[in-house]
Amino acid sequence: DTGVSQDPRHKITKRGQNVTFRCDPISEHNRLYWYRQTLGQGPEFLTYFQNEAQLEKSRLLSDRFSAERPKGSFSTLEIQRTEQGDSAMYLCASSHGQGSHGYTFGSGTRLTVV
Amino acid sequence: QKEVEQDPGPLSVPEGAIVSLNCTYSNSAFQYFMWYRQYSRKGPELLMYTYSSGNKEDGRFTAQVDKSSKYISLFIRDSQPSDSATYLCAMSPDFGNEKLTFGTGTRLTIIP
Repeated sequence: DTGVSQDPRHKITKRGQNVTFRCDPISEHNRLYWYRQTLGQGPEFLTYFQNEAQLEKSRLLSDRFSAERPKGSFSTLEIQRTEQGDSAMYLCASSHGQGSHGYTFGSGTRLTVV
Repeated sequence: QKEVEQDPGPLSVPEGAIVSLNCTYSNSAFQYFMWYRQYSRKGPELLMYTYSSGNKEDGRFTAQVDKSSKYISLFIRDSQPSDSATYLCAMSPDFGNEKLTFGTGTRLTIIP
């Protein structure tokens, strides 16, 4: 296992369509995080899981966003009825146990809504 | 006003120079401070983390935290072209708090 894997790397979609991203964390990591990064900005926290339980959600995560982590392994982030403002890099990270400094980020999924 | 402020640059320095990168913050609850490096089209990579005030050194990198001034710094000695990247500061209130608050990032270019 070489790191956190995200798929797809790039996604172009039309406004109003639904999109789903996948994240495969480092296998022994029980914590998984989603962040969003827009151009010229730092990552912004969206949500995180410990095993299969979603423990915190940001106010940035509107009703159109949903994240799951079935069986505590991979995670999916779905955006329904995409808007142009959803265009961003969606970053996934994982860690083993408690402590934010233990994050390992994936390379992200770049979403463009046209 | 953002909780974490960071000059976005860009910053260009000659190879071998000492680089100083800085962040200020407004939330006095922040206790853990981190620096991440992000290459183009990649995710952030943790460089250093420190707890509370003080200095921490790791090879060519030194992180400083001054909680009284709400100011953190990252120094890079003997800078190399491979150090060219965006540097992000990040912080959190406590060890168990999983939410990191990032600065905007400073884009650094080391000129050979």
